[in-house]
Amino acid sequence: LAKTTQPISMDSYEGQEVNITCSHNNIATNDYITWYQQFPSQGPRFIIQGYKTKVTNEVASLFIPADRKSSTLSLPRVSLSDTAVYYCLVGISGNTGKLIFGQGTTLQVKP
Amino acid sequence: DTAVSQTPKYLVTQMGNDKSIKCEQNLGHDTMYWYKQDSKKFLKIMFSYNNKELIINETVPNRFSPKSPDKAHLNLHINSLELGDSAVYFCASSTRLAGSYEQYFGPGTRLTVT
Repeated sequence: LAKTTQPISMDSYEGQEVNITCSHNNIATNDYITWYQQFPSQGPRFIIQGYKTKVTNEVASLFIPADRKSSTLSLPRVSLSDTAVYYCLVGISGNTGKLIFGQGTTLQVKP
Repeated sequence: DTAVSQTPKYLVTQMGNDKSIKCEQNLGHDTMYWYKQDSKKFLKIMFSYNNKELIINETVPNRFSPKSPDKAHLNLHINSLELGDSAVYFCASSTRLAGSYEQYFGPGTRLTVT
């Protein structure tokens, strides 16, 4: 499975746009890129998934360049409630449904 | 209305004891999982079941035994608990096995072994 690298932590202020970049140099042709969000004392929650270019939903946008060796999760106008750990995941091991979670990025939104 | 529920939420016990954690999902999903999150927040899969059949069994001590009585339930029994078993255990489910990037996680069970 492709290994992912993302910043351990980030700080932001309310109302700002936050971009979290994930590197996945060994991504395979069939791999999708998925982001999860985990609030303290809760289980991870699926945010967004993409294969290439740009994907947008009500929560976030996902930007994927043509070479797909990285991806950027964009959170528009964050609020205090967006303080969480954000995980970037790439691919799934065969047909087992196995997700590989990395260290994640701890986002701290300040007032 | 809880999609994936786990009981208990907190579990404090002594070394050597046997304990169980229960998980139920009301989403009609075919696949269920157990994950372990350690103190450093790393989340690792332990088991997955698809239609009550064991699919993934990671390098987990055989003191851990999952049981899936039906598609909606996946329980985790742990024998002879050790200090290193202290962690948060998450149950999750998804619609299908292959290509299941979207998994729904429960609230977690914080296990503390003293």
